[in-house]
Amino acid sequence: DGGITQSPKYLFRKEGQNVTLSCEQNLNHDAMYWYRQDPGQGLRLIYYSQIVNDFQKGDIAEGYSVSREKKESFPLTVTSAQKNPTAFYLCATRTGYEQYFGPGTRLTVT
Amino acid sequence: KQEVTQIPAALSVPEGENLVLNCSFTDSAIYNLQWFRQDPGKGLTSLLLIQSSQREQTSGRLNASLDKSSGRSTLYIAASQPGDSATYLCAVPPSDSGGSNYKLTFGKGTLLTVNP
Repeated sequence: DGGITQSPKYLFRKEGQNVTLSCEQNLNHDAMYWYRQDPGQGLRLIYYSQIVNDFQKGDIAEGYSVSREKKESFPLTVTSAQKNPTAFYLCATRTGYEQYFGPGTRLTVT
Repeated sequence: KQEVTQIPAALSVPEGENLVLNCSFTDSAIYNLQWFRQDPGKGLTSLLLIQSSQREQTSGRLNASLDKSSGRSTLYIAASQPGDSATYLCAVPPSDSGGSNYKLTFGKGTLLTVNP
């Protein structure tokens, strides 16, 4: 089964805890992205990586961190510094000009 | 900074109707425009990618047009069905987004409901 896997589908955490969201792909795409989606808002870019061992901040990187040690994997850590972490998080890959999205992880922090 | 607007925010139509969704962008120097569909609680599915050199792109009952000079794109859905109910988003790369800096700016989407 090919594509982009995000796990878990739902994630619950207490305020003050760091949490890591998983994104794995077997599409052999070089570029990977993390977006955040809130009700009534469009997708906002958190971080992106065009190649292994390299990544750039997006529009709302504060309170988040990423790593890109393998082509297949681009995990996102939501730190306790993120003021409003509750949201729907989407991972995407890109080949050429076309982006492909994973199923998303809904994170709830209470 | 590129801004993308989608109007209306929500649209409700009876089954069988043809409809048009609108997308406008502020910076016309774009490489392409991509239309996506999102079902509730799901990720995005790419529908159509229209290059800046193209004026139209078709896939089944969907037809996307692009007018760079006016900063507009439309997504035409023919003979709508209840299964078309979803949120439709458009996205463009900013004009300074090339090569290793490639990224998309999204509109907030249009929530389409097709009533049986």
